[in-house]
Amino acid sequence: EAGVAQSPRYKIIEKRQSVAFWCNPISGHATLYWYQQILGQGPKLLIQFQNNGVVDDSQLPKDRFSAERLKGVDSTLKIQPAKLEDSAVYLCASSLIQGGTDTQYFGPGTRLTVL
Amino acid sequence: AQKVTQAQTEISVVEKEDVTLDCVYETRDTTYYLFWYKQPPSGELVFLIRRNSFDEQNEISGRYSWNFQKSTSSFNFTITASQVVDSAVYFCALSFYGNNRLAFGKGNQVVVIP
Repeated sequence: EAGVAQSPRYKIIEKRQSVAFWCNPISGHATLYWYQQILGQGPKLLIQFQNNGVVDDSQLPKDRFSAERLKGVDSTLKIQPAKLEDSAVYLCASSLIQGGTDTQYFGPGTRLTVL
Repeated sequence: AQKVTQAQTEISVVEKEDVTLDCVYETRDTTYYLFWYKQPPSGELVFLIRRNSFDEQNEISGRYSWNFQKSTSSFNFTITASQVVDSAVYFCALSFYGNNRLAFGKGNQVVVIP
């Protein structure tokens, strides 16, 4: 079974530029998550989708971050405009069960460097 | 609020030594779930174990073992006879029933010296 796929793996941009990350979850997984992991810290949830609806985006900086999950499969996370403090690894995860609690499986992440 | 504390930041051991990683959690929920993930240098978080709050049985999987004690709110992880491939950052995480948001600790960097 294929795991969670993410692209690109690495991205370097100048501050105030825009960037987008893509995630394809494990086939059949209803729930998709985006996490931000700053160096030396544990991941922090940015947004959670269940199918194509948003379940939790309370920690998403909505003035510059946006995410969508059209058709309930792939998802895109965008930052516009980027700031220096956005330098981090962006992890996508997916889980099978709708509601309740289920194990999350993570992708390899996208390492973003903002100069 | 949910909180996970992993006190030791970096732990170095010589190959074949045992290493124990401490995880202390805080939650007001009666039904909750605890997890351990491994993050090797490649960056992907690898799921190791999930435990619910009603199951206090310890678990062993190969060289890995976990000790869950509700009385002390701890979910500790031991690697027996460590190997170089165990070098990674290990995260403890907590979620509660009905909300899949994972609260992660800061992680333990384990360095196994050959």
